[in-house]
Amino acid sequence: ETGVTQSPTHLIKTRGQQVTLRCSSQSGHNTVSWYQQALGQGPQFIFQYYREEENGRGNFPPRFSGLQFPNYSSELNVNALELDDSALYLCASSPGMSTTGELFFGEGSRLTVL
Amino acid sequence: GENVEQHPSTLSVQEGDSAVIKCTYSDSASNYFPWYKQELGKRPQLIIDIRSNVGEKKDQRIAVTLNKTAKHFSLHITETQPEDSAVYFCAASNANNNDMRFGAGTRLTVKP
Repeated sequence: ETGVTQSPTHLIKTRGQQVTLRCSSQSGHNTVSWYQQALGQGPQFIFQYYREEENGRGNFPPRFSGLQFPNYSSELNVNALELDDSALYLCASSPGMSTTGELFFGEGSRLTVL
Repeated sequence: GENVEQHPSTLSVQEGDSAVIKCTYSDSASNYFPWYKQELGKRPQLIIDIRSNVGEKKDQRIAVTLNKTAKHFSLHITETQPEDSAVYFCAASNANNNDMRFGAGTRLTVKP
């Protein structure tokens, strides 16, 4: 069974640029959630995708957007990058809304905005 | 939305002692309360969880208690070992599990 994989693992961008982060969910999982984890903080919920539709969203501005594909992999897009967007971005998959609730996290993509 | 507060932010104990981490939540609709352990540079991993129809759950050296009336839940680790050293996060979510919110984390250090 393949776990959650994310790419890239590290990247550096400058203010104002755009970034796309990718996530492959664990086999059999149809739900993907994205979190932002600043240094020394807990993961902050960005949004969740279930069967290709956004299924919940945290307090993040519209320049944070996402997609989920038919194979349940997902992308997180951030436009007009700001310095405060520097963080570890975690993707987590789960089997579906009606099951145990456990989130299976990837290793994350560490974004640095200069 | 849900707001989860976690205390303490850091905790240092001697090997063999017990450690207790406490969390409160704000949304009475929350009914699922997991605890995640994150070692340095690693992904968060679930260590134990509890649902709102249960007051306590135990798995070997770790246990979680839930007080729905007071909206707080706690993680208890007994007979701590150096490998328990990590950051621990509590979280809460609703029945749809589409909005899991995390606490700020507790850095636990177990001194040999």
